[in-house]
Amino acid sequence: GAGVSQSPRYKVAKRGQDVALRCDPISGHVSLFWYQQALGQGPEFLTYFQNEAQLDKSGLPSDRFFAERPEGSVSTLKIQRTQQEDSAVYLCASSFITDTQYFGPGTRLTVL
Amino acid sequence: AQKITQTQPGMFVQEKEAVTLDCTYDTSDPSYGLFWYKQPSSGEMIFLIYQGSYDQQNATEGRYSLNFQKARKSANLVISASQLGDSAMYFCAMREGPGNQFYFGTGTSLTVIP
Repeated sequence: GAGVSQSPRYKVAKRGQDVALRCDPISGHVSLFWYQQALGQGPEFLTYFQNEAQLDKSGLPSDRFFAERPEGSVSTLKIQRTQQEDSAVYLCASSFITDTQYFGPGTRLTVL
Repeated sequence: AQKITQTQPGMFVQEKEAVTLDCTYDTSDPSYGLFWYKQPSSGEMIFLIYQGSYDQQNATEGRYSLNFQKARKSANLVISASQLGDSAMYFCAMREGPGNQFYFGTGTSLTVIP
C-alpha cells in the first residue's frame, strides 16, 4: 500500500490483558515512530526506530510497554497487563531518515 | 516549558474566508523543523506543510501557507478560501535536530460554517 497501515484499528481489552499493535510503514522508510494520543490531546512520543535499532525509548510510560522492529520494517508495540490509563489512540509514523513523518490511521485501545 | 503552544482551542470561519491558526514554539536548537497536520474525525494525521528553520521563505502548499516569524518563534498556519472539508483538528509540531521525535501542540479545532 501507499501509506502507513496499522492493525487492529480498534482493540478492546480487559484490564490485565496483554495487547499487540502492529504498524506497517511506508516501503523504504528507514525511521519509525510510535505516539500515544489521549482524548483531546496532541500525540506524545513513545519510541523511535531507525531500521531495526531502537534509538530512543524515552517516552515509553512504563516497563509494561515494549516495542520491536526485528527486520527493520514492520513494528509491533506490545502492552503487558493493560491498565485503564493505557486507553488511548496509538499512532505509528514513518519517515525517510529525517524527513516528514507520515502517520497511519491509529489503533484505538480501550481498556475496560 | 511547552515546546509547542497552540492557544486557540476552537476556531470558526465562514466558508470561502481565510483563517489563521496560531502556533508558537520553544527551542534552543538552531536546526529544527515545523510541521502542521490535519486530523479529521476519522483520526488519521494528514501532513499539510513543512517549514525548516533555515528556510528563507515562508512555505506554501496550495491553500495552505505558513507564516514563519523566527524572531517571535511563531509558525502560524493560514488556510485560504476555507472549505467545509477543512473542518478538523489542526496540530502544530516541531522536530528538534535530525531524525528525532516530534513535539505536538494541543491542537485547534476548526469549524467551517456554510
